[in-house]
Amino acid sequence: EVQLLESGGGFIQPGGSLRLSCAASGFTFSNYAMSWVRQAPGKGLEWVSSISVSTTYDADSVKGRFTISRDDSRNTLYLQMNSLRAEDTAVYYCAKGSGMSYWYFDVWGRGTLVTVSS
Amino acid sequence: EIVLTQSPGTLSLSPGERATLSCRASQSGFSSYLAWYQQKPGQAPRLLIYGASSRATGIPDRFSGSGSGTDFTLTISRLEPEDVAVYYCQQYGTTPRTFGQGTKVEIK
Repeated sequence: EVQLLESGGGFIQPGGSLRLSCAASGFTFSNYAMSWVRQAPGKGLEWVSSISVSTTYDADSVKGRFTISRDDSRNTLYLQMNSLRAEDTAVYYCAKGSGMSYWYFDVWGRGTLVTVSS
Repeated sequence: EIVLTQSPGTLSLSPGERATLSCRASQSGFSSYLAWYQQKPGQAPRLLIYGASSRATGIPDRFSGSGSGTDFTLTISRLEPEDVAVYYCQQYGTTPRTFGQGTKVEIK
């Protein structure tokens, strides 16, 4: 069974940093693009970042502040979040891509909540 | 950036009725790389449809997708109580990937 388990969320002050992790199992991790998608409280879905083999893609709203990376030996996806702002408060979902090009999100984790507040 | 606009915002129907959800793109150019997701209250999203019209594994056949160019539709042929959810469309043909704002489906 394909599973994605996010961790690392929590409460952080504006300007702070946090690293999210997503542990994957049940599939050959290195063969698939992976992504982060977030959802602010009561709001819709917002794509954050994606990574294929070695190419990364970021939304303008996080460019220069967030860094997506992957460790294929550990089957783990990461999101390093720096210079956090109140508007980054959201549930962050890890999502598996359907392949390595033109991927949709075929499996989602349960999410981890990040709260940015003073 | 491709903006996806979903309508209506909320759909309230009786069990057994047909639900028609619309997703309109601000421009074409992403082929049929259009997906639909279902998000039930308190849960993560779930993939329903990809490639505009292909059902994901395990999705009941009362869910169907159609459309091309800039106009896409998700149809639930016979609404069931467990279909109460917010439905999102998403294009994956261009970066940034974008989602519609969602359509909430309620049961009368």
